[in-house]
Amino acid sequence: EDKVVQSPLSLVVHEGDTVTLNCSYEVTNFRSLLWYKQEKKAPTFLFMLTSSGIEKKSGRLSSILDKKELFSILNITATQTGDSAVYLCAVETGTDSWGKLQFGAGTQVVVTP
Amino acid sequence: NAGVTQTPKFQVLKTGQSMTLQCAQDMNHNSMYWYRQDPGMGLRLIYYSASEGTTDKGEVPNGYNVSRLNKREFSLRLESAAPSQTSVYFCASSGRGGGRWTTFGSGTRLTVV
Repeated sequence: EDKVVQSPLSLVVHEGDTVTLNCSYEVTNFRSLLWYKQEKKAPTFLFMLTSSGIEKKSGRLSSILDKKELFSILNITATQTGDSAVYLCAVETGTDSWGKLQFGAGTQVVVTP
Repeated sequence: NAGVTQTPKFQVLKTGQSMTLQCAQDMNHNSMYWYRQDPGMGLRLIYYSASEGTTDKGEVPNGYNVSRLNKREFSLRLESAAPSQTSVYFCASSGRGGGRWTTFGSGTRLTVV
């Protein structure tokens, strides 16, 4: 059975702090790992990672994948209140379709002023 | 705007009633998905359609049926709604390359009383 586990489930930080979110997975037919941001609506795409060791960066957000140890990390530096959201990790799996996603439970991030 | 359109956005049902959630995409994607999201949980796959004419069960298919009406449309039917089906439902579609090209609908908030 495919499994994606995120930790921590929630955290509260002050503006300016750095947060590190973890995602481990056990799946068959790994295609890619994706990070999403969700703010009371549909998930918004952040990153897609397919190869180990290549860090993806977008402004204050960065992510890395370790395919040997089966985990990924999402870092957010210099956090802002607008970063408050649920961050979802998902693994794309399967051989019969594109975009079939197995999600983790998410990490609720609250950034206080 | 191109994307995935879900209807309705909100619905309240009585236990035992039936209803169909509609989903349509205009991106010429082959694969379409129905997910549900419960509080504190990530999205869980209910059913998917890898391509027009095919449908398959996901992680939580019990109590649901689907129809891939054509390449654009993928509907989800609750034949006899139960309180356990109270959830937010997301439709998604994905084209070749999956992953980052997965597009979500805005969601349907369903309450079964």
